[in-house]
Amino acid sequence: GIQVEQSPPDLILQEGANSTLRCNFSDSVNNLQWFHQNPWGQLINLFYIPSGTKQNGRLSATTVATERYSLLYISSSQTTDSGVYFCAVTRGNTGKLIFGQGTTLQVKP
Amino acid sequence: KAGVTQTPRYLIKTRGQQVTLSCSPISGHRSVSWYQQTPGQGLQFLFEYFSETQRNKGNFPGRFSGRQFSNSRSEMNVSTLELGDSALYLCASSFSETQYFGPGTRLLVL
Repeated sequence: GIQVEQSPPDLILQEGANSTLRCNFSDSVNNLQWFHQNPWGQLINLFYIPSGTKQNGRLSATTVATERYSLLYISSSQTTDSGVYFCAVTRGNTGKLIFGQGTTLQVKP
Repeated sequence: KAGVTQTPRYLIKTRGQQVTLSCSPISGHRSVSWYQQTPGQGLQFLFEYFSETQRNKGNFPGRFSGRQFSNSRSEMNVSTLELGDSALYLCASSFSETQYFGPGTRLLVL
């Protein structure tokens, strides 16, 4: 089956710093989503981005489908950005999301 | 629109018991998927329902089952609970490609 790898596994930043999270996937996909898991466990949608670039405030994401990777950029990080960021993909006509292991981000004040 | 809701939010059971978790999708969403999250295995797909039919199933034993009702609400059931079933169970609903998750049910098996 398709493999999803995220890097780095852990990231510690000072407030105000920028960061880039990476997601590599082993086969072609037709859906890619980025999520932020808050301290209470809920997965919050950040982007649906099977290809191209999108921006939402301080966050932006780019997926290069032909090279099988996606990047999530966080600029001017805030302490509220702390948590776990997941990349998840689907392949074919299915709602089965395959998740990476996540990147745990800690933003220090 | 209201988001995905899951009940109960927290649950404590003992080994051998069974449990039923409920998920109400966003209004208009017909697809509901379930996931299990544990520290060791991460987020794993359990099953997906669409219009009351199971469309996909993950690699979980038959103790894990689910169903979907005509109003798109879904339940999952775990019978003969084991300690390893302790996890956060997440439900997601979708209308097209984007999946929206509920707050989850934390199950502790003692």
